[in-house]
Amino acid sequence: AQKVTQAQTEISVVEKEDVTLDCVYETRDTTYYLFWYKQPPSGELVFLIRRNSFDEQNEISGRYSWNFQKSTSSFNFTITASQVVDSAVYFCALSEDFETYGQNFVFGPGTRLSVLP
Amino acid sequence: NAGVTQTPKFQVLKTGQSMTLQCAQDMNHNSMYWYRQDPGMGLRLIYYSASEGTTDKGEVPNGYNVSRLNKREFSLRLESAAPSQTSVYFCASFSRTRSYGYTFGSGTRLTVV
Repeated sequence: AQKVTQAQTEISVVEKEDVTLDCVYETRDTTYYLFWYKQPPSGELVFLIRRNSFDEQNEISGRYSWNFQKSTSSFNFTITASQVVDSAVYFCALSEDFETYGQNFVFGPGTRLSVLP
Repeated sequence: NAGVTQTPKFQVLKTGQSMTLQCAQDMNHNSMYWYRQDPGMGLRLIYYSASEGTTDKGEVPNGYNVSRLNKREFSLRLESAAPSQTSVYFCASFSRTRSYGYTFGSGTRLTVV
């Protein structure tokens, strides 16, 4: 069975600090997809990134970067020079089979990030 | 703007009352989903519809029913609301051809008293 663990329930940082949100996943499939979503205080869910299991190349998008390591089953998310607007709940998610319309899409419990001015 | 539209945004029900949460998407996606979000538990799948005319149970279907009215619309019904159904409900549609997978609605905050 697939599982996503986000061990950090809440993190508080001061603005401009770097912060890493951890995500550890479990799956028996060799092909799978990992996601990060952001949920700001307004409540909507905002897609951030999707990675395929066969592409371990790290990705950077502005102040955001993602480190995907199959050897440790981790897909960690780093925000560089955090800003108050980064305050949100961040969810990591896993889908084992993209062809089955996503019904086995599993979310982690989320990490609440508070960036203090 | 293209996306997923949910109504209502907020609702308070008394125990035993019924209501239907509405969801519509205009992206021509085949599959649609209903999730509930509870503190510390992430999102859990209630029901999904892989295509028009089909529906299936997810992880937590008890107490809910769904209707895939057409390709655009997927509604969630609570026949007899219970306090345990107090939650935030999200509708989503899914595209295998888009890099992001799910598109979520803005959510419905439901309180059952």
